[in-house]
Amino acid sequence: EVQLVESGGGLVQPGGSLRLSCATSGFTFSSYWMTWVRQAPGKGLEWVANINQDGSEKYYVGSVKGRFIISRDNAKNSLYLQMNTLRAEDTAIYYCARGFNAAYWGQGTLVTVSS
Amino acid sequence: DIQMTQSPSTLSASVGERVTITCRASQSVGSWLAWYQQKAGTAPKILIQMVSSLETAVSSRFSGSGSGTEFTLTISSLQPDDFATYYCQQYNTYPFTFGPGTKVDIK
Repeated sequence: EVQLVESGGGLVQPGGSLRLSCATSGFTFSSYWMTWVRQAPGKGLEWVANINQDGSEKYYVGSVKGRFIISRDNAKNSLYLQMNTLRAEDTAIYYCARGFNAAYWGQGTLVTVSS
Repeated sequence: DIQMTQSPSTLSASVGERVTITCRASQSVGSWLAWYQQKAGTAPKILIQMVSSLETAVSSRFSGSGSGTEFTLTISSLQPDDFATYYCQQYNTYPFTFGPGTKVDIK
């Protein structure tokens, strides 16, 4: 069974940092692109970033470029999102998803940026 | 960035009705278009990729069509389990973008 479990969310002050993790199982992690998608409270979905199988290609939405870094550890079957210089508008549930087109999703982790 | 729009934003329908949701892109996305279903408090679930390719275990009452800039998701006979919010997403051009969603509720 494919499983993705996000962790690392929480309350952080504006300007602060947070590192999200996504532990995966049930599939060959190193064979798939991986994706982060977020959803602000009561709002729609926003694609955040993705990374290719060996980590050599990374793409970001403009609003997080230069602040967020996506990475992966294929030995640990894990995906990460390092979030720096956080802003109130980054408050959202962050989902990790398998694949170029997000075929499987985790349950999400809530990030709240507030003073 | 490619802008995705959906219509209607809300749709009220009865069980058994045929329902169609339209998704438009601001420029061509070829066939790189997916549809997702999200129920309240849960993660989205992919229904269709590549415009019309139904994901494993997704009911055949869901179908997708279109190309280029205009796409549709059709539910042939709405069931109680289908009341949810539906999103389209293009994955042709970075940054990938979602439509604003269409909420399907009970009439």
